[in-house]
Amino acid sequence: AQSVAQPEDQVNVAEGNPLTVKCTYSVSGNPYLFWYVQYPNRGLQFLLKYITGDNLVKGSYGFEAEFNKSQTSFHLKKPSALVSDSALYFCAVRDGMDSNYQLIWGAGTKLIIKP
Amino acid sequence: DAMVIQNPRYQVTQFGKPVTLSCSQTLNHNVMYWYQQKSSQAPKLLFHYYDKDFNNEADTPDNFQSRRPNTSFCFLDIRSPGLGDAAMYLCATSRVSGAFRNTGELFFGEGSRLTVL
Repeated sequence: AQSVAQPEDQVNVAEGNPLTVKCTYSVSGNPYLFWYVQYPNRGLQFLLKYITGDNLVKGSYGFEAEFNKSQTSFHLKKPSALVSDSALYFCAVRDGMDSNYQLIWGAGTKLIIKP
Repeated sequence: DAMVIQNPRYQVTQFGKPVTLSCSQTLNHNVMYWYQQKSSQAPKLLFHYYDKDFNNEADTPDNFQSRRPNTSFCFLDIRSPGLGDAAMYLCATSRVSGAFRNTGELFFGEGSRLTVL
């Protein structure tokens, strides 16, 4: 069965410091991995995805994520956090070898950047 | 710009009074989804359309129905809203293609927040 875990409900980071939001996954075949961000009372916005190729994926707003097959992880990172990065972040996965194309969503991690 | 538009952004209704939420897209995506999201939780898939084919999630209550009259539009009908149906309702689209139904990323609208009095 496919699953995704975001082990931290909340992450607190000081502005200017690097940030990491963790995501681990479980799929039988090839993982398709996604990160989305949600600001208060807004829809989800796509940040980046990993399908194949380079393990380091760059996305919107200076975010990047590293696909680690051995650790089954896809952590979201940013070198220098901004207060405006404060939001809810969701990791999602699907099995690329499965005809069921639905995404499995993590529970979300609230990111708080303090000035 | 191509996008997904949801109306209304905020909807207040009374207990048991039917509600319709709408979603339109200019992306020409073949799949449209309706999600329910409560209190900053993960979005919960209610149903989706793959082209004209309707796919209902097993645990979606019968109180929720949907229509997709054409590629661009999709509606969520809540026949008799209860207090537990108060939530953010998110419409999303994606392009699904290929033998393994490979999907690109989902594009979301801004959501419709439903309040039930």
